[in-house]
Order: sequence, then C-alpha cells, then structure tokens
Amino acid sequence: DIVMTQAPLSVSVTPGESASISCRSSKSLLHSNGITYVYWYLQKPGKSPQLLIYRMSNLASGVPDRFSGSGSETDFTLKISRVEAEDVGIYYCGQLLENPFTFGSGTKLEIK
Amino acid sequence: QVQLKETGPGLVQPTQTLSITCTVSGFSLTSYYMQWVRQTPGKGLEWMGFIRSGGSTEYNSEFKSRLSISRDTSKNQVFLKMNSLKTEDTGVYYCARHYRVDIGGFAYWGQGTLVTVSS
Repeated sequence: DIVMTQAPLSVSVTPGESASISCRSSKSLLHSNGITYVYWYLQKPGKSPQLLIYRMSNLASGVPDRFSGSGSETDFTLKISRVEAEDVGIYYCGQLLENPFTFGSGTKLEIK
Repeated sequence: QVQLKETGPGLVQPTQTLSITCTVSGFSLTSYYMQWVRQTPGKGLEWMGFIRSGGSTEYNSEFKSRLSISRDTSKNQVFLKMNSLKTEDTGVYYCARHYRVDIGGFAYWGQGTLVTVSS
C-alpha cells in the first residue's frame, strides 16, 4: 500500500499569515499520463471532509484561491495564504493512483 | 444540487452484519463512481471501495472478504454491507462522489453515519 506521511502534526497560525503542510508518499504518484494523483481535503470540526485540491495543483470548485497545491512525484505541499478563522480543521492528503486509495493521518490547523 | 445522505443502524453487535444506505440526489449513479470511506479512531480515514458508473465494484483488500457494495439506480441508492463486524469497525461511515465524471477525488460527501460495534 502507498503510505502518505504528513507533517507537521499540528500548526498554529496567526490570521493573515501563511501556512504550509507537507505530505510525502512512499511511491511516486505521477502516472504515465502525466497526472499526479494527490488530493487535499479539509475536515472542519464536526463536518465531513471537503475537497480542496485535486491532481496535485488544481483548485476544486468553490475553494478560495488562498489555497494552492504543489509538489513533485513524492513530495507535496498545501499552502494556505492569508489564513482565516474559517480555515481551522484537519487537513488530509490522499492518493488515488492505485488501490487501496490511502490518506495521510492529518495535520491540525489552529488559529493563534 | 448534489446531495448524499447515509442511513445506518447506529449500533451493531460484534459478529453481526452492517448495512448502510446512501441516498443521492442531483446526479445520476450511472454517470459517477460512488465511494465508501470510513473514519475510525484507530486508523483515521480509510477507503473501503467503490462502485463504478457501470455497476462493477472494486474493494480495498483490507475489507474484501467481508464487504459488498451494490446499488439500485431506480431509487438513487448505494448500499454497503459488511459482515463479521468487530469493535475496531466502530466509526463514521461516509459515501462520497467523484468530483467530475472524468476526474476523481472525493468531492461530495454525505454527513456520515456513526456506527458503534458493541454488545
């Protein structure tokens, strides 16, 4: 199985500042079709996860452009610019390259 | 408007069978893959399996021997059945839909149904 490792476990950010969350996969997520199958999700307190970024760097519909995704074949970053109070929750990376689809263990974002 | 809603039993006894229904609206099950994901205290988010738009299924081998996913397109419902439940299966079970017909990603989620496995 592909293991997704996230860091840090938690991050505390002052509103208006930026935050970055890292994710590393145990195998390249770059498919031969040129698509990198890494996804980012946010689970707000008491809610279901929501999709933020698909295929490494594409912003899902309705997601503020303060969110961005980047990376290589095995190392990925979610950046949140100008953090707002509504961004609190647990961020997960996940891979859809191969069965079984797997998720990271999550990074908790808190507001200072 | 895309909507998904899971309905489950709440409490299930160990060794028994879990049945959950996901009722969807706003799209056709014959156009999208439907996924099942659970969230447990022990393992966090776990992908369980999916049913393709054409009706075939694929499962996480972790659950394959005891998991079944099916659907009734006339009722806009997807079903999860898992047998031989253990206390470790306690958690929230979600159905989810792909982002777009040709793009994956768990984009639309139900509110989840909490399943507690206990005698």
